Amino acid sequence: AQSVTQLGSHVSVSEGALVLLRCNYSSSVPPYLFWYVQYPNQGLQLLLKYTSAATLVKGINGFEAEFKKSETSFHLTKPSAHMRDAAEYFCAVSGPSSASKIIFGSGTRLSIRP
Amino acid sequence: ETGVTQSPTHLIKTRGQQVTLRCSSQSGHNTVSWYQQALGQGPQFIFQYYREEENGRGNFPPRFSGLQFPNYSSELNVNALELDDSALYLCASSLGGTGSNQPQHFGDGTRLSIL
Repeated sequence: AQSVTQLGSHVSVSEGALVLLRCNYSSSVPPYLFWYVQYPNQGLQLLLKYTSAATLVKGINGFEAEFKKSETSFHLTKPSAHMRDAAEYFCAVSGPSSASKIIFGSGTRLSIRP
Repeated sequence: ETGVTQSPTHLIKTRGQQVTLRCSSQSGHNTVSWYQQALGQGPQFIFQYYREEENGRGNFPPRFSGLQFPNYSSELNVNALELDDSALYLCASSLGGTGSNQPQHFGDGTRLSIL
């Protein structure tokens, strides 16, 4: 079975500050891990994905995430927050034996203070 | 390339009715997955279709059913609607089916409200 836990349903940072969104996963098989972003009234947009290659994954909009097997974590970071980063962020896991279905976390709402 | 499109964008139904939601997959994609996203929650996997066959199903009752057509577009049908079916329904297309690590591309969803 696979699952994802996102720590913190709401994170607020100042513009220009570091963004850190936490995600821990559970998987009995080598996981594929994803971060998606959802803007209001829109679908999900893929930020980045980990598929057993490099453990540090760079995505769009300046985001990156590091896969740490020992900690079962896949935290999302961005060095300097921008107002346009305000959105809902979802960590997700899938695996080769799960017919590509994606298991999503409950999401973290990121707010940016001017 | 054309992205994933869903119709309608909004829909209001009453309890006990039936509804059909539609999804056109991204050009070249042969796999469609459907998710239900209740307010304030992450999306929940309903089922996936690969080359017109169901290819995995989540924990949803049989009144949730689907179809995939030869052009890889898809429908989600829900019978005997219940209040808890109110949610955003997301369609995602990808290339590959089982075992694929190809990313899923999401549409903007259909917002279904049950009165």
